Amino acid sequence: ILNVEQSPQSLHVQEGDSTNFTCSFPSSNFYALHWYRWETAKSPEALFVMTLNGDEKKKGRISATLNTKEGYSYLYIKGSQPEDSATYLCALIQGAQKLVFGQGTRLTINP
Amino acid sequence: NAGVTQTPKFQVLKTGQSMTLQCAQDMNHNSMYWYRQDPGMGLRLIYYSASEGTTDKGEVPNGYNVSRLNKREFSLRLESAAPSQTSVYFCASSETRTVQYFGPGTRLTVT
Repeated sequence: ILNVEQSPQSLHVQEGDSTNFTCSFPSSNFYALHWYRWETAKSPEALFVMTLNGDEKKKGRISATLNTKEGYSYLYIKGSQPEDSATYLCALIQGAQKLVFGQGTRLTINP
Repeated sequence: NAGVTQTPKFQVLKTGQSMTLQCAQDMNHNSMYWYRQDPGMGLRLIYYSASEGTTDKGEVPNGYNVSRLNKREFSLRLESAAPSQTSVYFCASSETRTVQYFGPGTRLTVT
């Protein structure tokens, strides 16, 4: 079983501040990394699929980068808003189909 | 399109009882998954089905069985429920190696 680590486990940020957090994974046999956003009492929703070393993806104020050689991905949120409060999950594809999820970073935006 | 649907939304079982969680998707996806979500543990894969007619174990399969009834439906059965199976269960579907779409979840309590 792959070990996908996310840090920090939780984060409190003031509204308007920017923030980032990390997903670390084994760098060998990389195929793809997913980022999901999971709001309380809802289901996880996909943010990004990242496949190439050096990939940068952006969706509004949220962006992500990927370094497959050193085994990490960063998720950035610029100008945090209360609606950004959620748990952010990264997941690595193992084999043909399986996703292995990290434990998530729980982000709380303080107004 | 309804996406991924799950029934029931809530269930309370006594130890030793059996039940089946139902999942259906209308996106014509080949792959379907069952996860459980426990505090501090993230999402853990129970079973998955890469295509109609195939099923494979995930990280935590013990105590569960699955059936891929057809391309749309993937059910999860607890033959003899135990308190350790108290959890929130999510079904998901995807095309091969693409983002997964999650259902709303089933909150199961075993007393």
